[in-house]
Amino acid sequence: AQKITQTQPGMFVQEKEAVTLDCTYDTSDQSYGLFWYKQPSSGEMIFLIYQGSYDEQNATEGRYSLNFQKARKSANLVISASQLGDSAMYFCAMREWDTNAGKSTFGDGTTLTVKP
Amino acid sequence: GAVVSQHPSWVICKSGTSVKIECRSLDFQATTMFWYRQFPKQSLMLMATSNEGSKATYEQGVEKDKFLINHASLTLSTLTVTSAHPEDSSFYICSAVWGAYNSPLHFGNGTRLTVT
Repeated sequence: AQKITQTQPGMFVQEKEAVTLDCTYDTSDQSYGLFWYKQPSSGEMIFLIYQGSYDEQNATEGRYSLNFQKARKSANLVISASQLGDSAMYFCAMREWDTNAGKSTFGDGTTLTVKP
Repeated sequence: GAVVSQHPSWVICKSGTSVKIECRSLDFQATTMFWYRQFPKQSLMLMATSNEGSKATYEQGVEKDKFLINHASLTLSTLTVTSAHPEDSSFYICSAVWGAYNSPLHFGNGTRLTVT
């Protein structure tokens, strides 16, 4: 069973608007971390935001926030005030500490296109 | 911030030759390095996990004799694609991590390999 599910292969958003990228996960570990990475067309992977399984507050980093709903096992990324430079592929990832030797599992990604 | 340097960024080689890709953590000591392969518009596929001074752990289906990984120090891991064939053409990307499950992956910029 896939551990990270990103159900939106592609998303469009108007510049300056907010957009939510969905991510659901599956794990039996109590200790895990959820990460979002951005991959522009140039190929490099950029770390955006982290949410720990024990964190009670949603993580925020500038225009990025993570809507963490533990009971639903979802960790959606919210990008506020979209910019043209936000056009990229976005990956949700999970790192399980107890059972997976610290390896990260990635979703299939969502390609975000910001329209001017 | 943590920087991972990956070289070369692109390489073209003839079928049957070998290619070495280097991954260095420049300002931190990586407890673990990971090697991924990525096809266009797809997710990262983990090939192997590399720990300093020990043999790499390969994922199921990855030929260890074809994709040789050496982790000589806490800051350097190399991936050698031996006897490359056109089907090995892909984007290879390394990542390094230190610390617990709340530590993000730090990625190199990737290597685009084309085998002719």
